[in-house]
Amino acid sequence: DVKVTQSSRYLVKRTGEKVFLECVQDMDHENMFWYRQDPGLGLRLIYFSYDVKMKEKGDIPEGYSVSREKKERFSLILESASTNQTSMYLCASSQAPWGAYGYTFGSGTRLTVV
Amino acid sequence: AQTVTQSQPEMSVQEAETVTLSCTYDTSESNYYLFWYKQPPSRQMILVIRQEAYKQQNATENRFSVNFQKAAKSFSLKISDSQLGDTAMYFCASGPTERGYGNKLVFGAGTILRVKS
Repeated sequence: DVKVTQSSRYLVKRTGEKVFLECVQDMDHENMFWYRQDPGLGLRLIYFSYDVKMKEKGDIPEGYSVSREKKERFSLILESASTNQTSMYLCASSQAPWGAYGYTFGSGTRLTVV
Repeated sequence: AQTVTQSQPEMSVQEAETVTLSCTYDTSESNYYLFWYKQPPSRQMILVIRQEAYKQQNATENRFSVNFQKAAKSFSLKISDSQLGDTAMYFCASGPTERGYGNKLVFGAGTILRVKS
């Protein structure tokens, strides 16, 4: 089975800290995605990547950046964490062409910024 | 831009009964995929069922089936013989089939389904 692994299930960080959320997939997928999930808002795309060193902004990129130095790893970075970034963060990957298979998701990271 | 709307924030159903979750979408793409994902309380999101828009036959996966009405842009999920393990958040999603630059899935807000014993 394809696995998408997110390094932490729960994180508590202080306002102003730099936060790294790591995601690793083991099936050589080209595409990787970061979403945040909030009640009543569903999943909102933060950033995505179709290839190594390639990144594209999603719908809500403000306050976030990403890094993809290797195909299997896609990191989400909160440069200076704020309380409004308290949320569930979901990483996903897909092979190309992605439409036929949808996404495979990680278990999520619940981030609390205090 | 694509949009996906799930109008039922929460639903409940008795065990062994049938329940239908609604989803409508809007897209300008000529061909696209539609998906239903399930997120149990343990949080791992898993694919339940998918439908390619050009296929008229409704997709079925065991107790899960869809009612795809292309003209109405409606894609509802029917769960038959509901089980306690079906308790979860369900997300509807849509996206184009072509691997174009910037193509991605768009998700609805989700429906919480509770199966009662």
